[in-house]
Amino acid sequence: NAGVMQNPRHLVRRRGQEARLRCSPMKGHSHVYWYRQLPEEGLKFMVYLQKENIIDESGMPKERFSAEFPKEGPSILRIQQVVRGDSAAYFCASSPLQGGSNQPQHFGDGTRLSIL
Amino acid sequence: DQQVKQNSPSLSVQEGRISILNCDYTNSMFDYFLWYKKYPAEGPTFLISISSIKDKNEDGRFTVFLNKSAKHLSLHIVPSQPGDSAVYFCAASASGGSNYKLTFGKGTLLTVNP
Repeated sequence: NAGVMQNPRHLVRRRGQEARLRCSPMKGHSHVYWYRQLPEEGLKFMVYLQKENIIDESGMPKERFSAEFPKEGPSILRIQQVVRGDSAAYFCASSPLQGGSNQPQHFGDGTRLSIL
Repeated sequence: DQQVKQNSPSLSVQEGRISILNCDYTNSMFDYFLWYKKYPAEGPTFLISISSIKDKNEDGRFTVFLNKSAKHLSLHIVPSQPGDSAVYFCAASASGGSNYKLTFGKGTLLTVNP
């Protein structure tokens, strides 16, 4: 499967724990985007990364959330000290060039995070 | 503030008929629009897009129409098939430095009945 791979598909955490979500972009794609979908809502942009660089994190909550895309390995979305409101589906997307006109983003199947 | 609105949460059509999904936007800076299809427990799959320099784009059974003056776009599926049953998301982006930032509507659940 050459698509965007996200793991785990489901993640359960207790309040106060840390959640780590992983995303491997499509082969040949060096641009990664994270989106969050709350119940009954559309996807909301969180962060845009290229290898070793955060380009735009304007959609990330100011505290507890961080993202990285190291030179080697997948992109990681990290949520520290999770709270019930963090329960959502988190989707990763990738594109070969900066997403925009004629560069549709391709999405993974998401990680469903549940906070007990 | 909902910049991309899909006012119909659901739509039901008969197999073989036309499905029309609607989307309105408020941000006049948006100039690139996409439709994604999403099955349960899967990620959104890109369907079709349109740039604001066009008013129509067609790909097989799928056609997207853009009315810039009304800030409205629609997705037509003809003929509809049961496998088209899914949630359809409209998304938009603005050209310039943040053209990667997609703004999504809440989605419309399409059910195509055999």
